This record gives sequence, C-alpha cells and structure tokens, in this order.
Amino acid sequence: KNEVEQSPQNLTAQEGEFITINCSYSVGISALHWLQQHPGGGIVSLFMLSSGKKKHGRLIATINIQEKHSSLHITASHPRDSAVYICAVKYGGSQGNLIFGKGTKLSVKP
Amino acid sequence: DTEVTQTPKHLVMGMTNKKSLKCEQHMGHRAMYWYKQKAKKPPELMFVYSYEKLSINESVPSRFSPECPNSSLLNLHLHALQPEDSALYLCASSQDLFTATVPYGYTFGSGTRLTVV
Repeated sequence: KNEVEQSPQNLTAQEGEFITINCSYSVGISALHWLQQHPGGGIVSLFMLSSGKKKHGRLIATINIQEKHSSLHITASHPRDSAVYICAVKYGGSQGNLIFGKGTKLSVKP
Repeated sequence: DTEVTQTPKHLVMGMTNKKSLKCEQHMGHRAMYWYKQKAKKPPELMFVYSYEKLSINESVPSRFSPECPNSSLLNLHLHALQPEDSALYLCASSQDLFTATVPYGYTFGSGTRLTVV
C-alpha cells in the first residue's frame, strides 16, 4: 500500500524557533513535494525534490531516498509561517496524481 | 504567467441548482487536475485531464461533470449536489502526467469554497 506519513500532526512553536516536519513514504517515488496551505486557502508549492537538498529563504527541504524520508525545516520561524504543511509524493510511473500526507498544522506564537 | 486561476472563490448553491467552477492556466501545462478537500483533510483526487482528454476519474458521482474545452481551461459542472459535497475544490496543473520540469512540478489554484444548502 502506498502511504505517506507525516509527523508531527500538530506543532506549536515560539517565534524564532527552528522547526522540523518529517515525512516518510513506503515505496520508490519519482518526486516528493512540500506544500503549504493557509487556513481556508489554496495550496502553494514550496519544493519539489527527487534527491538531496533545496533551500529557499528560511525554508530547507531534504530527502533521503534510501531511507524513504524527507524533512522540511523552517529557520527563525515567524507567525506568518503558521499554516498546514503537506508532504505529497508522486510514485514512479503513476499517472501524474499525487499521494498526500495528512498534513502538519504549524502554529507559531509571537 | 505562472498561476492557476480559479473562479469563483466562493460559491453557495442550492441542491437543485446547476453551477460551474472554472480553472485557467497559461503556462502551457498539458495535465490538469481537480481535487476535493474537506476540512482538516488532505486533498482527494477527482479527475485528471491529459492533453484535453479525461485520463483519470476517481469514481466521482455523475453530479460532478468535468470538461476541458482547451489546453488552458478546465471546468467542473455541478448539478443536484448534496450538502456533503460542500468542500474546497482545488485545481492544479503540471507540465504533463509523467514529467515535472517546471520549478515546482505542480501549480495549484487557490480553490473554490463551495457550500451546498
């Protein structure tokens, strides 16, 4: 069964803290996405990874293909980072559709 | 233009109404998707279009009818919906079904918040 597991489900942090959200998947993938969704809003694609590490501003995403694991890090967190972060994977050969994790709800307190 | 535009942003409709959701992109993407998202749940795939042809229908009830009149436009026609169909409907697009050469692979619209009364 193709599953995407995220942890933690909920995360509360103080402004300025370093945050890590984890994602594990069960079989080989062709790409992994980190997505951000603000309450009531649409989805913003943060990163697409197939190997290694990517950085954009205060966000860093890493993936370990052998361990089937990815992490999203937020440095110097800010209340505007409060959102649901979703890990989604595209399995090799699948017809385009993504398999989504259940999301991690992040609240950053000032 | 690197966006997927969805209209309307909010829609309230009665169970006997007929309405349509619209999704538009001008990135030259040839795969377009409809997702349904209930509160506090991940998106669920409904339909996938590839080169204007329906590629995947995830056993969606016939009261939802997708249409892809051209490579830039994707519609979702709604008829005789039920209150449990109230949800956020998200559209997305990608280069095509099997490759994702643009920076982020998939581009999502901001969604249409649908309420069925």
